[in-house]
Amino acid sequence: DVKVTQSSRYLVKRTGEKVFLECVQDMDHENMFWYRQDPGLGLRLIYFSYDVKMKEKGDIPEGYSVSREKKERFSLILESASTNQTSMYLCASSSGAGRDYNEQFFGPGTRLTVL
Amino acid sequence: AQKVTQAQTEISVVEKEDVTLDCVYETRDTTYYLFWYKQPPSGELVFLIRRNSFDEQNEISGRYSWNFQKSTSSFNFTITASQVVDSAVYFCALSEGYSGAGSYQLTFGKGTKLSVIP
Repeated sequence: DVKVTQSSRYLVKRTGEKVFLECVQDMDHENMFWYRQDPGLGLRLIYFSYDVKMKEKGDIPEGYSVSREKKERFSLILESASTNQTSMYLCASSSGAGRDYNEQFFGPGTRLTVL
Repeated sequence: AQKVTQAQTEISVVEKEDVTLDCVYETRDTTYYLFWYKQPPSGELVFLIRRNSFDEQNEISGRYSWNFQKSTSSFNFTITASQVVDSAVYFCALSEGYSGAGSYQLTFGKGTKLSVIP
């Protein structure tokens, strides 16, 4: 059974804190993604990675960084959390690209509140 | 640039009614993939279907069916005899490109919230 897990379902942090969101997949997928989901805005891509130690900016990378030291793990880092980063964060993984693109599998999400 | 439009923000139907969720896309590529995902109240997105641009055959899976029409750039989703468990937000998504960063990404529509009333 394919699985993408995220370290927390709910997280509350204070403004200025450094926040780590962890994502692990057990499907040996090359590609991993971080999205944020906000009401009325849908899913927006923050960063993705197509290989270990590789990363690409998505549509809204400002205020975020990522780390992929192992194939199965992709971390999203909020260097200095701000209230406008309060959101639902979704991690996903997939295999293939271009002509061989396959569907993304999603984790359960982390609802982050920054006070 | 690629774009996915789901014009229906919210839909309510009574149980056992049929309902169609609309999806219109824009792309300059001739090769692309289209997807539908379901997000139930629990929050986890569930993959429903992938369709590539070369396959315009409609697909049926139980009560679900999909109508892909390249002429109108649409990929609509119909639920027949809706049930309360179908209540969710449904997202249409597009991927395109042979290479480069775009070939890995999905562009999502803003979603349609479906409420099925008992």
